[in-house]
Amino acid sequence: NAGVTQTPKFRILKIGQSMTLQCTQDMNHNYMYWYRQDPGMGLKLIYYSVGAGITDKGEVPNGYNVSRSTTEDFPLRLELAAPSQTSVYFCASSYERGPRYQETQYFGPGTRLLVL
Amino acid sequence: AQSVTQPDIHITVSEGASLELRCNYSYGATPYLFWYVQSPGQGLQLLLKYFSGDTLVQGIKGFEAEFKRSQSSFNLRKPSVHWSDAAEYFCAVGLYSGAGSYQLTFGKGTKLSVIP
Repeated sequence: NAGVTQTPKFRILKIGQSMTLQCTQDMNHNYMYWYRQDPGMGLKLIYYSVGAGITDKGEVPNGYNVSRSTTEDFPLRLELAAPSQTSVYFCASSYERGPRYQETQYFGPGTRLLVL
Repeated sequence: AQSVTQPDIHITVSEGASLELRCNYSYGATPYLFWYVQSPGQGLQLLLKYFSGDTLVQGIKGFEAEFKRSQSSFNLRKPSVHWSDAAEYFCAVGLYSGAGSYQLTFGKGTKLSVIP
């Protein structure tokens, strides 16, 4: 049981390039999330998904796209990379969502992205 | 809007000393409260959570936290710190919005350094 895995671990992009950050979980969790973490800041939610085929915006969705074709995978797409997207990106998953289910989010190790 | 404040950006303690990390939240109702730990280069790991009931919550690695409604606080404590506790600690609040969606809001984090 690997939990939540993310690839790549580190990437350098040029302005205007595109890339996909991969996230996979093997816990059969319904809910998946993408966060970004900037230095000295907490995590900000980019997008989340409540199941295959269903996604919704979080707090900071601009410049990103997601898809959820399977329960296991939740890739994050950057279409036109900008320096403001330099950050550490974390994927997380949970079985249910919300306190009534005693939700616990499990995090991946992160992808460090540098846009120059 | 809900907010989470961790007043201390960086704390240094000696190994074996006690530890208290502060967390204050801003919200009218009882929130759902979490503490996560992030070791260097790693994702976030849940230490403990409070949903209801006993206001003193026990977590992993010998940590505990106490919910104080009157002070809007959820401080994290450990009686004797180990060198391996050096990490960054994040407080988070989970709340339902009026539209029924559920969000986690993270504080900016407190970095803990441990002196041998």
